Amino acid sequence: GQQVMQIPQYQHVQEGEDFTTYCNSSTTLSNIQWYKQRPGGHPVFLIQLVKSGEVKKQKRLTFQFGEAKKNSSLHITATQTTDVGTYFCFLSSNTGKLIFGQGTTLQVKP
Amino acid sequence: DVKVTQSSRYLVKRTGEKVFLECVQDMDHENMFWYRQDPGLGLRLIYFSYDVKMKEKGDIPEGYSVSREKKERFSLILESASTNQTSMYLCASNRIRGSYSNQPQHFGDGTRLSIL
Repeated sequence: GQQVMQIPQYQHVQEGEDFTTYCNSSTTLSNIQWYKQRPGGHPVFLIQLVKSGEVKKQKRLTFQFGEAKKNSSLHITATQTTDVGTYFCFLSSNTGKLIFGQGTTLQVKP
Repeated sequence: DVKVTQSSRYLVKRTGEKVFLECVQDMDHENMFWYRQDPGLGLRLIYFSYDVKMKEKGDIPEGYSVSREKKERFSLILESASTNQTSMYLCASNRIRGSYSNQPQHFGDGTRLSIL
């Protein structure tokens, strides 16, 4: 069956450093979504990627969808304490399977 | 703004009890979802529904059932609660019937359920 690996599981950075989380699927995806969950909160939708090789930016956040539509990344430039939380990818395969990644928890030291 | 409301923020029940978790959304969304969230495992889909009285199993349906009698309400039922069902339960909804995978999901605040 379809498998997803999101890495790393945890990341501690100094404020101002960059951060990247990766999401890798064993099967080709129709689209991928990214969510952020603040401590004690619920997941909140950030963005959706649909096209092969797509790159989207939201201020300091850059999202990429791989050319083969099997992987994606979220990169944060110059992290701030407000970036703290867990970032999840959400996958939709070509067979209709829905699955969340395990999440990457980001801690930012001020 | 979409509002997804879960009936309880915290719940403590005993092994063997029948437990009901309720979720209501106010945006006339066709699709509703139940997930459980455990550390290191992310969110795992239990059941989802794309219409009233319609349901589909997710990845971990064993020990759970669901009910959707009205469009705005989706209930998760633990038929006979067990300690391994202690978890955070999250309800979500999104629009577009039949294309539940390509619309943002809106989540409730979650119910932290403890089974003693």
